[in-house]
Amino acid sequence: GIQVEQSPPDLILQEGANSTLRCNFSDSVNNLQWFHQNPWGQLINLFYIPSGTKQNGRLSATTVATERYSLLYISSSQTTDSGVYFCAVNQGGSEKLVFGKGTKLTVNP
Amino acid sequence: KAGVTQTPRYLIKTRGQQVTLSCSPISGHRSVSWYQQTPGQGLQFLFEYFSETQRNKGNFPGRFSGRQFSNSRSEMNVSTLELGDSALYLCASSLSGTAGNTIYFGEGSWLTVV
Repeated sequence: GIQVEQSPPDLILQEGANSTLRCNFSDSVNNLQWFHQNPWGQLINLFYIPSGTKQNGRLSATTVATERYSLLYISSSQTTDSGVYFCAVNQGGSEKLVFGKGTKLTVNP
Repeated sequence: KAGVTQTPRYLIKTRGQQVTLSCSPISGHRSVSWYQQTPGQGLQFLFEYFSETQRNKGNFPGRFSGRQFSNSRSEMNVSTLELGDSALYLCASSLSGTAGNTIYFGEGSWLTVV
């Protein structure tokens, strides 16, 4: 099946710093989503981005489908950005999501 | 509008017991999927339901089962619980169940098996 790899696995930043999280996938996909898992376990949908670039406030994402990777940019990071960021993809007509192992982000004040 | 609602949020069960978890999708959403999250295996797909039909199933033993009702609410059941079933169980819903829809998750049910 499709493989999803995220890097780096862990990232520690000072408040105000910028960061880039990467997601590589091994095959073509229909859907790619970025999620932020909060401390209570809920996965918050950040972007639905099978291709192209989107921005939402301090966050933006770019997916280059032909090269099978996606990037999540976080600018001017805040302590509330801490948590685990997951990339997930699906293929074909199924909604089955295949997740990467996540990037654990810690933003220190 | 209300998000995906999962109940119960926290529960503790004993080995050998069974457990039923419930998920109410976002109003109007007809597709519901379930995922298991553990520290060792990460997020793994359990099953997907659309219009009361199971469309896809992950690689889990038959002790894991689910169903969807006519109002799109879904339940999953785990029988003969094992210690390794301790996990966060997440439910997700989407509008039409086709790839290309944004998928929304509930807050999850934390299951501890002792």
